[in-house]
This record gives sequence, structure tokens and C-alpha cells, in this order.
Amino acid sequence: ETGVTQSPTHLIKTRGQQVTLRCSSQSGHNTVSWYQQALGQGPQFIFQYYREEENGRGNFPPRFSGLQFPNYSSELNVNALELDDSALYLCASSLGEGADTQYFGPGTRLTVL
Amino acid sequence: GESVGLHLPTLSVQEGDNSIINCAYSNSASDYFIWYKQESGKGPQFIIDIRSNMDKRQGQRVTVLLNKTVKHLSLQIAATQPGDSAVYFCAEEGSGAGSYQLTFGKGTKLSVIP
Repeated sequence: ETGVTQSPTHLIKTRGQQVTLRCSSQSGHNTVSWYQQALGQGPQFIFQYYREEENGRGNFPPRFSGLQFPNYSSELNVNALELDDSALYLCASSLGEGADTQYFGPGTRLTVL
Repeated sequence: GESVGLHLPTLSVQEGDNSIINCAYSNSASDYFIWYKQESGKGPQFIIDIRSNMDKRQGQRVTVLLNKTVKHLSLQIAATQPGDSAVYFCAEEGSGAGSYQLTFGKGTKLSVIP
């Protein structure tokens, strides 16, 4: 086990709704990265938070946003859900000191109907 | 754009045999590479990593080889066991706009035949 936890495990929403996903990082890690994994694909980088600031973003629209809290836990918010947002959402924590191993949580399976 | 990819999408091996999973990368500036194992319904699990100043690294039953000349990465699993059945991803960690983000390939599904 990595010590990275995510909630909820599964979630079903309808198109147009908003969703918040949560992640608790491994003890001692100050960096959280979020990834979207569509079925049968590799994870795609959404964004990264380092010491409560967004520290890089992938090719995702602004309706994907996030937060990192003083205890380094994090939230991913997605507004105006679309059917294509259905995926496994993964968070990964790391020490944040340059290129460093990212340890993943179990993910949240989001289904948009 | 630059990406990480895999040569073989599926691999079936007999229990006890050695497995080799290959990966090509195109970003010559990448200096850190990681292999992850992902079982069905779970998040990716770290297996082994290697930095660009090395060409081989060994772990327990696993070895990663890095050939920077041809930009090729491989994962060798010795004495493959049924519990090794999973999808394996190689990933490169690159710096983009200040963050260290992982770029994954599509994955190779390893099936172990008992």
C-alpha cells in the first residue's frame, strides 16, 4: 500500500453536474498530481499541486480545477460534466523535489450518464 | 508531440518463464523513467525506476534496462508468476512549466499461463 487514499471509490453523475474528488497524500509528501485514465488507456496528466499552488497543467479545460490544503491533501473539481469525463481519476503524491517517484492512490471511478 | 509508447500491447507467458516488456520513448531530454503495474480496478503500483545516468537497475525479480542511444526501455520479470498478470506501463517524468509530470504509454497486458 502506498498510503495515498482517495474518496469516493465510485461515483455516478449526470451530464452538466459538478463533482469533487478527494485525495490524501502519503505522509511526508508535499506534491499531488491528478491524472485521468480512460478505459484501456494510460493515465493522462491533469495538473499538479506543490505546496498549495498549481505547479503545471496538462491539456484539460478550465472546468477541471483543483485545490491543495495545508496538510497537502487535495481536491479535483470538475464542472459541467460531459459524457467523456467518465474515467478513473487517479491522484499521486511525491516529495516534489525534482523528478521523483509518484505513488498512486486506488482511484475514483466516475461515470457520467 | 513527444510521447512514450510500447511495442507490444499483449504478452502471454508460461508460469516460471521470464517476461520482457518493451517501451520506446521519444523525448531525449527525459532523465527519469518508471515502470508501473496496474491490476484491474486498482491504481498503478510502482515497480522500479531508473535515471538516465544508468543503463541497468535490478530489483526483486525485476530488471529495467535503459538504452539511451535508441531511446528504448525494457522491463524484465524473472520466473513470472500468476500474480504478475496485470497491465504494465512505462512512464517518463519530464519537466513542463515547472512541474514534473508523468507521460504514460498505452500499456502492455501481461497474462501468465499456469
